[in-house]
Amino acid sequence: NAGVTQTPKFQVLKTGQSMTLQCAQDMNHEYMSWYRQDPGMGLRLIHYSVGAGITDQGEVPNGYNVSRSTTEDFPLRLLSAAPSQTSVYFCASSSPTSGQETQYFGPGTRLLVL
Amino acid sequence: GDSVTQMEGPVTLSEEAFLTINCTYTATGYPSLFWYVQYPGEGLQLLLKATKADDKGSNKGFEATYRKETTSFHLEKGSVQVSDSAVYFCALNFNQAGTALIFGKGTTLSVSS
Repeated sequence: NAGVTQTPKFQVLKTGQSMTLQCAQDMNHEYMSWYRQDPGMGLRLIHYSVGAGITDQGEVPNGYNVSRSTTEDFPLRLLSAAPSQTSVYFCASSSPTSGQETQYFGPGTRLLVL
Repeated sequence: GDSVTQMEGPVTLSEEAFLTINCTYTATGYPSLFWYVQYPGEGLQLLLKATKADDKGSNKGFEATYRKETTSFHLEKGSVQVSDSAVYFCALNFNQAGTALIFGKGTTLSVSS
């Protein structure tokens, strides 16, 4: 199993540009989520999904869109990038099976918005 | 809302020293509690967890006990190694379903030989 994969590893954007951060998992996990990591702030939840077609907002959803058309994929879209969105983005997945609350994280995407 | 507070770092120790990283939480229910570790340049990985009061999670010599009375989940290790140098995050469930996590700000540990 590849686990959770994220692409790209690194991206530079100009203010106002749009892009999609890709996330895929091959563990058949129902739950997926996106976090951003900023210095001194820990990880903050952006959006999450409990299954295909179902998404909801986390702690810091503004400026980001998500969709979940398949169990495997959970892309994060920035429609108009801002310098405040410069961060490292992590995708994670987990299963609701009882006792299996472990979140599995991808390697991250480092985004720089100029 | 629910939140996690961790002691601020960095924490600098010599090899074989005793480690404690404090973590307290605020939650309306009884969430599961977690410690995640992030090694330099990598993503996060689960270190240990506890799902109910008085449970003790343990892994790789690290331990933490779920204390409902003090709303705490402090991380301890009796003898740290250089390879333990990393950032440690305390976390709890974002909601009852456990679909995602709320994290503390992280504590950087640096161990020297």
